Amino acid sequence: AQTVTQSQPEMSVQEAETVTLSCTYDTSESDYYLFWYKQPPSRQMILVIRQEAYKQQNATENRFSVNFQKAAKSFSLKISDSQLGDAAMYFCAYRSESGANSKLTFGKGITLSVRP
Amino acid sequence: NAGVTQTPKFRILKIGQSMTLQCTQDMNHNYMYWYRQDPGMGLKLIYYSVGAGITDKGEVPNGYNVSRSTTEDFPLRLELAAPSQTSVYFCASNLGDRVRNGYTFGSGTRLTVV
Repeated sequence: AQTVTQSQPEMSVQEAETVTLSCTYDTSESDYYLFWYKQPPSRQMILVIRQEAYKQQNATENRFSVNFQKAAKSFSLKISDSQLGDAAMYFCAYRSESGANSKLTFGKGITLSVRP
Repeated sequence: NAGVTQTPKFRILKIGQSMTLQCTQDMNHNYMYWYRQDPGMGLKLIYYSVGAGITDKGEVPNGYNVSRSTTEDFPLRLELAAPSQTSVYFCASNLGDRVRNGYTFGSGTRLTVV
């Protein structure tokens, strides 16, 4: 079974600075997707960024980018120019593409605070 | 376009009571899921469905039941509520396998069992 590990329960960043959130996963598969979700205090789950395992190029969405290291099974999220609205819980998630019914496996999450 | 709608948003149950968490989506998604979120534990899959009439257990199904009579609706039933079922419940949907998008989530139901 796949597992997703987020070992840092909390992180803090100064407004306008850059922060990196870590995620590692364990799988024997070669075809899968990785995601980062943001959950603000409103509880809504918001997709931040996705990465296809077959792509070597790291995904980027505006201020958000990932460092995908397939051999190391690492998938970190970098937030540049941090804003107060980035304060939230962030979840790393894995989805197999080999007949697993698109089930997402989540990490435990990390709480990010942004200092003004 | 409403997406995934969950009701109610909050509920307090007494031990032993029953209730149904409603979930409906208007995107014609085949796959639907129920997750629970506990503090410090991430989201755990309770049940999922790959189409009308088809349901299957996830990681933590005990104490819950589901049905999928239509593509749009995927209700989650708690028959005998227990304090261990105090959690935030999320319904989500997805178009199907080999689709690059992630899930569309509902806004969650916070359930407290006392």
